[in-house]
Amino acid sequence: DAGVTQSPTHLIKTRGQQVTLRCSPKSGHDTVSWYQQALGQGPQFIFQYYEEEERQRGNFPDRFSGHQFPNYSSELNVNALLLGDSALYLCASSRWDRDAYEQYFGPGTRLTVT
Amino acid sequence: AQTVTQSQPEMSVQEAETVTLSCTYDTSESDYYLFWYKQPPSRQMILVIRQEAYKQQNATENRFSVNFQKAAKSFSLKISDSQLGDAAMYFCAYRREYGGATNKLIFGTGTLLAVQP
Repeated sequence: DAGVTQSPTHLIKTRGQQVTLRCSPKSGHDTVSWYQQALGQGPQFIFQYYEEEERQRGNFPDRFSGHQFPNYSSELNVNALLLGDSALYLCASSRWDRDAYEQYFGPGTRLTVT
Repeated sequence: AQTVTQSQPEMSVQEAETVTLSCTYDTSESDYYLFWYKQPPSRQMILVIRQEAYKQQNATENRFSVNFQKAAKSFSLKISDSQLGDAAMYFCAYRREYGGATNKLIFGTGTLLAVQP
């Protein structure tokens, strides 16, 4: 049973560019949440997707957008990259009806903006 | 707004010894969940233990146990018989119960645990 997978593992982009990160949830999960973890900090919630809709959003600008596909996988898009967007981006999946009990995290995508 | 504070940036423990990691949180809610997550160098966040606020009994998972003090808003993690594989960053996290699945995890800044052989 594959857990949460994310791609790519690492990514280097230039300021002003756009990036797309991908997440496949654990089998049986239908909800995907994205977190940004800056170096030396705890993860910060970006947004959550369920039934292909954004259900909740954290304090992130509109440059951060997402999508969920019918197979429950998800993408995180960041436009007009800033140096401050350099971070580890974590995807977490869960079952909507059991979200309180556990969220399974993926290994993350390390984004470096130069 | 809810906040989670971990006041110990780094901790060290000898193998086979016991260590306690501290966490305090601030909330006006009465129903919520608290978690400890482990993040090893592989970066993958792993759930260590979970506590429901309505439960008075402290949660335990093998060598891991918590001391949940609701009135003091304190949630510490005790690791007994520490092993080299316990070395990792540990995050305390809060999640409100009201509102169901749309609630997010709020993390502290983490405690880096080193285990000395």
